[in-house]
Amino acid sequence: GAVVSQHPSRVICKSGTSVKIECRSLDFQATTMFWYRQFPKQSLMLMATSNEGSKATYEQGVEKDKFLINHASLTLSTLTVTSAHPEDSSFYICSARPGNYEQYFGPGTRLTVT
Amino acid sequence: AQSVTQLGSHVSVSEGALVLLRCNYSSSVPPYLFWYVQYPNQGLQLLLKYTSAATLVKGINGFEAEFKKSETSFHLTKPSAHMSDAAEYFCAVTRGSGTASKLTFGTGTRLQVTL
Repeated sequence: GAVVSQHPSRVICKSGTSVKIECRSLDFQATTMFWYRQFPKQSLMLMATSNEGSKATYEQGVEKDKFLINHASLTLSTLTVTSAHPEDSSFYICSARPGNYEQYFGPGTRLTVT
Repeated sequence: AQSVTQLGSHVSVSEGALVLLRCNYSSSVPPYLFWYVQYPNQGLQLLLKYTSAATLVKGINGFEAEFKKSETSFHLTKPSAHMSDAAEYFCAVTRGSGTASKLTFGTGTRLQVTL
């Protein structure tokens, strides 16, 4: 149980385009989902917290207009990287939380912007 | 503010040897603590968690961790390393409470297992 999927697993896009990443909780409902970014050989950096039906809460320094988050249902959250640039290339990981504290992580999406 | 410090960004052990990955926490309230493992190009998998019950927590794959309040530590151990244990390990602590809680991760420790 407690499986979280992400799609796509890898994506390559051209600079200036937008790309959407989906995060789904497959066997549970998640009131809260989180989006993280991980640079090579570094830790996870929390980007934003999304709650179903409300606006996402972004961490300090994260551009909300660049990283659009939509938590449309209790099993789906999407992250859209708008007007992507090479510096946005990274490993993006989502997690879903059914209760108060334990998070279940997706397998990650590697974004490469050329 | 809650935070964790992982001592040693890289640990190398021989197969069959004891694994010890260190994590110290800083928290103004009783913390919830977690250890996660990450294999290359994958997400995080929960190894074990401490949520103020038993101080010795047993997890998956033979790992365990002991919560020591006096030392503010939550070190991860495994009696005998296996080649498949080679991965990145992250210690994490919750910040905030209830539905507002979030995870703060340590910088990670890469475990190398040699023959």
